[in-house]
Amino acid sequence: SAVISQKPSRDICQRGTSLTIQCQVDSQVTMMFWYRQQPGQSLTLIATANQGSEATYESGFVIDKFPISRPNLTFSTLTVSNMSPEDSSIYLCSVGYDSGNTIYFGEGSWLTVV
Amino acid sequence: GESVGLHLPTLSVQEGDNSIINCAYSNSASDYFIWYKQESGKGPQFIIDIRSNMDKRQGQRVTVLLNKTVKHLSLQIAATQPGDSAVYFCAENKGDYKLSFGAGTTVTVRA
Repeated sequence: SAVISQKPSRDICQRGTSLTIQCQVDSQVTMMFWYRQQPGQSLTLIATANQGSEATYESGFVIDKFPISRPNLTFSTLTVSNMSPEDSSIYLCSVGYDSGNTIYFGEGSWLTVV
Repeated sequence: GESVGLHLPTLSVQEGDNSIINCAYSNSASDYFIWYKQESGKGPQFIIDIRSNMDKRQGQRVTVLLNKTVKHLSLQIAATQPGDSAVYFCAENKGDYKLSFGAGTTVTVRA
């Protein structure tokens, strides 16, 4: 399995500000994704982070609000822009390999917007 | 709406007993399913997966059963231990390994 490190692990943010979350993997991976888990809820896919090109967003998520970068096969960032209390969630990075192995998750970045 | 769902939101089980967690899915074309365990304050941890060309797969103390006829998935945990207390999610591959998650079942193990 992959070792996935996310930073920050937790943060308290002021409304109207933006925060960038980093995801670092210990090996090259084919697939990287970002998920959101609102308090007490299940996980929802935000977008697929594509290496060297623009991310692919799911319905309900837009690039202006959640810009994503993926400069190489081991690193990605997710920015949560112009935050409001409704953005208080766990943001999770997940990765997969093209060999058909499964999808692994990081420990998440727990954001509280006040 | 969600294509994957769990039948019960909570499950209380006596330590040492077997646990069964159920999941229904709606997309008959889904080819890959995963079970995750999420402990409080942590990210989802992979438990076991199964592809649609299989009916059953076993791991260490866990078994996943797939019934494609009724689009039903279950996770069986043998000899449930206190460390098994967590929220369990089933996830379905929507395509390109993009996962759709069920609502989750909270398992509580009674000593």
